[in-house]
Amino acid sequence: QLVLTQSPSASASLGASVKLTCTLNSGHSSNAIAWHQQQPEKGPRYLMKVNNDGRHVKGDGVPDRFSGSSSGAERYLTISSLQSEDEGDYYCQTWVTGMHWVFGGGTKLTVL
Amino acid sequence: EVQLVESGGGLVQPGGSLRLSCAVSGFTVSRTYMTWVRQAPGKGLEWVSVIYTGGTTSYADSVKARFTISRDNSKNTLFLEMNSLRPEDTAVYYCARVGQWLARDYFDSWGQGTLVSVSS
Repeated sequence: QLVLTQSPSASASLGASVKLTCTLNSGHSSNAIAWHQQQPEKGPRYLMKVNNDGRHVKGDGVPDRFSGSSSGAERYLTISSLQSEDEGDYYCQTWVTGMHWVFGGGTKLTVL
Repeated sequence: EVQLVESGGGLVQPGGSLRLSCAVSGFTVSRTYMTWVRQAPGKGLEWVSVIYTGGTTSYADSVKARFTISRDNSKNTLFLEMNSLRPEDTAVYYCARVGQWLARDYFDSWGQGTLVSVSS
């Protein structure tokens, strides 16, 4: 069974950088994942899809401050020059046979 | 510009029914996979259902046999018919488009959501 693991919370200072991690469990380390941002009281927003080779495709209007990368079973979302509007929940998502689309538990990002 | 706008949510008693709509602009619903995703209060995201380009549908086990996904190609609109509603179905329901870069394994557009509350 595929599981996406995310840390429940992360924090970083205004103007700094933060790297969020999504870990695929054993047997699914080659899966691509997508990152979605959910600002408080809003619907999710697609940020980017990250392949196991690190290639990624961003959604329309996603700032260059957001980038994706990959290493083994881990997929990363790096946000640089943090701004207050970056605060919110970040979910990773993938697809697996029999389960269709699955989400990680989300990481709540606080901008200090 | 791609837009997805949900409607139809509200308060319903356990055992009741509700029909959600997702009006789409900027692309054609029949030419892509379309899904519903829900989010219970204070919880994470849960995939609910999909309708494929050929019209085949699939559901999460938690809603199978109670929910029906469909679309009206002439109105470019997606629907979710929800029957036998339970308190645990209380959530914000989002429609989302499945992306197509290399594989259809992610969502690349979302609506703003509509709240469904199941309570007596």
